[in-house]
Amino acid sequence: SYELTQPPSVSVSPGQTARITCSGDALPKQYAYWYQQKPGQAPVLVIYKDSERPSGIPERFSGSSSGTTVTLTISGVQAEDEADYYCQSADSSGTYPWVFGGGTKLTVL
Amino acid sequence: EVQLVESGGGLVQPGRSLRLSCAASGFTFDDYAMHWVRQAPGKGLEWVSGISWNSGSIGYADSVKGRFTISRDNAKNSLYLQMNSLRAEDTALYYCAKVYSNYGDWYFDLWGRGTLVTVSS
Repeated sequence: SYELTQPPSVSVSPGQTARITCSGDALPKQYAYWYQQKPGQAPVLVIYKDSERPSGIPERFSGSSSGTTVTLTISGVQAEDEADYYCQSADSSGTYPWVFGGGTKLTVL
Repeated sequence: EVQLVESGGGLVQPGRSLRLSCAASGFTFDDYAMHWVRQAPGKGLEWVSGISWNSGSIGYADSVKGRFTISRDNAKNSLYLQMNSLRAEDTALYYCAKVYSNYGDWYFDLWGRGTLVTVSS
């Protein structure tokens, strides 16, 4: 299996831009997905297929991919964006195992 | 209402067994693969196991392989996780999750609220 590596924490002030990275050797060949998890809640998908945003997710959330790294960008961070963020990936056939990154705690100062 | 509801968690001694259930409603259960994902207290998400719509493809994380068994009953719109030889490190909130798949796109688009498993003597 492979690994996805995320920074443990990212801190930004309200209104600034937060960037959370996820690195893995398999990422050039397969899509990445991002989930937001707030305390006591189940995860919620915020980005799919590297850069697509599900309906209902604010436009300030965006995703990008370059080589072995994918990035979740939150522009104009708001206090409500403080949460844990996880990347996830699976190969084109959905082959097991599936993998999550270790998670990044976003703190809004 | 589209939802997943897990049950069956609780306090269990090391070495014992537990069976988790996940009841699905509001969507055509047998059209979708289903997975279990767990989260130890204060830790990140860990993929545990997955099963295809027809049970023809099943996979496990190395950490549970040989001890856990995933299954589903499409007639009952239910997903299960039989957990044997439980260890302290299996203590976690166990989520049931529905898979969206389409032309190489694979992700979880619906999660339950989780059921807590505590392994302790």
